[in-house]
Parts: sequence; C-alpha cells; structure tokens
Amino acid sequence: DAGVIQSPRHEVTEMGQEVTLRCKPISGHNSLFWYRQTMMRGLELLIYFNNNVPIDDSGMPEDRFSAKMPNASFSTLKIQPSEPRDSAVYFCASSFRDQETQYFGPGTRLLVL
Amino acid sequence: GNSVTQMEGPVTLSEEAFLTINCTYTATGYPSLFWYVQYPGEGLQLLLKATKADDKGSNKGFEATYRKETTSFHLEKGSVQVSDSAVYFCALSDDYKLSFGAGTTVTVRA
Repeated sequence: DAGVIQSPRHEVTEMGQEVTLRCKPISGHNSLFWYRQTMMRGLELLIYFNNNVPIDDSGMPEDRFSAKMPNASFSTLKIQPSEPRDSAVYFCASSFRDQETQYFGPGTRLLVL
Repeated sequence: GNSVTQMEGPVTLSEEAFLTINCTYTATGYPSLFWYVQYPGEGLQLLLKATKADDKGSNKGFEATYRKETTSFHLEKGSVQVSDSAVYFCALSDDYKLSFGAGTTVTVRA
C-alpha cells in the first residue's frame, strides 16, 4: 500500500516567493495533519483536518500560511510570501478511526534564501 | 498542558550494546504513549505504542512499558544494530494532538 505522499521532496526558493507544498494521504484516512520540524522548535502541529474540514489551525504561525483540503485525497500548505525563517522540514500525516496513530509522509525540505 | 521530556542525546553505542532512552510525561487523564523513529532523510515511523497503564509495546526488538506511577515510557533494546541509528521521539496523544519530545539521536557503531 502506498503511504502518505508529499511533493516536492525538496524546495529552494527566494524570500518573497510563494511556496506550495502538496500531500496525498493514505486512501481511506479521514484525518490529515501538517507539521513543521526545526532544530529550534522540534515538531509542531500546524493544522488538523477531519473529513476535509479544518478543525484546529491554532499552530499556523501567521497569515502568510494557509492550508486547504479540497477533497479526501489531497491537501496543500501554502506560504505567501515566504521568509528565510520558514526554512524547515514540513511533514504531512494521516490517520483513520484510531486517530492516535498517525502515519507520516517523507517530508518536504524547504529552504528560503 | 501535556508535555513529554526525553533524555538528551546524542547517544553513541557499539553494536550489540543495550539501549535505553528515558521518556517521562505530564498529562491530564490517561493518554496513549508512542515511540516514533526517524531515519536520516525520512519521515517519522511509528515504532510502538501503548494505550493504557502497564501495557507493553514492542516491535523490532524494541520495548516500552507504560508506567503510570512514574509517568514514564522508557524505550529499550537489548542488542542494537548499526541499522538502528536514527532519531527516536517519544510522544503522547490528547485526542487528535500528538505532543512530541525533542528527540534523541542514536548512533550505533560497528
């Protein structure tokens, strides 16, 4: 079975540019999570969707960040405009029923110059 | 609020050595507890979990027991291999939210 799929795996962009990260959850999972991992702050939950509806976006750093889930098989995390402090690894995770067990994608390593 | 504290690394071991990574937690109620592993350049993978007190989670030779009296969930493996080199994260769940520890980097030398 395919796991959580994220694209791109690596992204290098310049400050001020728009960045879009993509995620395809495991088929049948109804919960989706976006995380950010940095050395300074560790793993932080950015946003949680259940049945395509955003339930908790309290971790989204600021208005420059937005996330959507137009259907059960696709989600995006957008940063506009990007800043160097957004450089991090962004993970998508999904789960089903037993929401405690989350399955993580390989991550997108973002570098903003 | 909920939090997880795990031993700081890095930890460097020789092959076949015994590994212990300490993890303690603070939580209201009785959360489920997890160990995730992250290999270089990859995402987090669930290693094992325990959902109630005295439960023992185990996988790939790793074990951890949910100790309510000491609020701990220490990870152990009796004989590590080079392939166990990774970052290990202890976590607890509060409904849908996972709270992670800072991670412990383990390096196993041949």
